[in-house]
Amino acid sequence: DTAVSQTPKYLVTQMGNDKSIKCEQNLGHDTMYWYKQDSKKFLKIMFSYNNKELIINETVPNRFSPKSPDKAHLNLHINSLELGDSAVYFCASSQGLAGGGGNEQFFGPGTRLTVL
Amino acid sequence: GQQLNQSPQSMFIQEGEDVSMNCTSSSIFNTWLWYKQDPGEGPVLLIALYKAGELTSNGRLTAQFGITRKDSFLNISASIPSDVGIYFCAGQMRAGNNRKLIWGLGTSLAVNP
Repeated sequence: DTAVSQTPKYLVTQMGNDKSIKCEQNLGHDTMYWYKQDSKKFLKIMFSYNNKELIINETVPNRFSPKSPDKAHLNLHINSLELGDSAVYFCASSQGLAGGGGNEQFFGPGTRLTVL
Repeated sequence: GQQLNQSPQSMFIQEGEDVSMNCTSSSIFNTWLWYKQDPGEGPVLLIALYKAGELTSNGRLTAQFGITRKDSFLNISASIPSDVGIYFCAGQMRAGNNRKLIWGLGTSLAVNP
């Protein structure tokens, strides 16, 4: 009964390729996120969707394109992969945007992307 | 991007010792969250704090929401080897409708059995 799941767990690819990472949550949450964690372990928010609507779009190259077919899924497509894209990518979800609770984010196990 | 000041950056302690770490910000937060990340896993929520001055425990862990709303503390009592990992603080302020979490850089904890 995995709450937030990601596939694949590991992804090794050549520079210039296009790849996708999938995320699904079965918590009934309205909001989903993508984070990038670099080698120094800093968690950097990339995108957030609320009910399939993009609400956070940090300064991320437009080679990265999130897609949310429904509120339980948020996929990340990356075009023309570069060496600097190597990192661990985490998907997360939270109940909603309301204050006073429901903001706790629950994370998936991560996808380790290695670009050669 | 914006980030919180989290200290210490790393700790190496003996099993049984108590541990303290903290996060500070120049901004006021409405929510403080503490997460733990085990190697090869995603962060897992330990404690959530919603009111200034709030003190909340989760087993051997205790966290406090600072009175100024600009800081938070996490204490671990009687550490055990499975406490090893990276601990992250995260804060949230009312910033428009996105309620983005601001993250600390993490405290890496090593416990010597």
